Amino acid sequence: EDQVTQSPEALRLQEGESSSLNCSYTVSGLRGLFWYRQDPGKGPEFLFTLYSAGEEKEKERLKATLTKKESFLHITAPKPEDSATYLCAAGSSNYQLIWGAGTKLIIKP
Amino acid sequence: GAGVSQSPSNKVTEKGKDVELRCDPISGHTALYWYRQSLGQGLEFLIYFQGNSAPDKSGLPSDRFSAERTGGSVSTLTIQRTQQEDSAVYLCASSVRDTSSYEQYFGPGTRLTVT
Repeated sequence: EDQVTQSPEALRLQEGESSSLNCSYTVSGLRGLFWYRQDPGKGPEFLFTLYSAGEEKEKERLKATLTKKESFLHITAPKPEDSATYLCAAGSSNYQLIWGAGTKLIIKP
Repeated sequence: GAGVSQSPSNKVTEKGKDVELRCDPISGHTALYWYRQSLGQGLEFLIYFQGNSAPDKSGLPSDRFSAERTGGSVSTLTIQRTQQEDSAVYLCASSVRDTSSYEQYFGPGTRLTVT
């Protein structure tokens, strides 16, 4: 069964304290691995798509990486405005995305 | 350019009433998806459209839920005889194509409260 698991459920960091969020996936025929950011009361905002193991993408303080079993979202020197829930989703062999439950990130000033 | 828009942003309705939720996708996006997100929960897939056709309705929770899409653009999700367990945020997303290789772009959602 296709499955995506995110860890930790919640992460509290001090401003400037770098860390990583994990997204483990079991999907037959991965079509793409997607990262989104969701702020309270808003829809998810697209961040990155990764297609193959070894691929990396960066945007400001965020860097996403992909292996054959998991993806990491690395946050370098985070700021309070990086606080949000981060969602990952895996594209399976059909049209659907398999969604993780998200990691709630809180950056304290 | 314009993103995905949804209306209304908030809807409060009494149990047993019908509601209609609207989604305007990004122009040119052929695929449209509806999701439901309950408080503190992940995304629950409801239905998707390729053009005006809905190849997969398997995520609809009951026969009280229906959706249509016209002109390959606007979509309406209708919930009949609403129940309190229908309270959630309903999210719409669109994508260039209906394969899972392409990212989906989300609207702001409609928060539905059934009293």
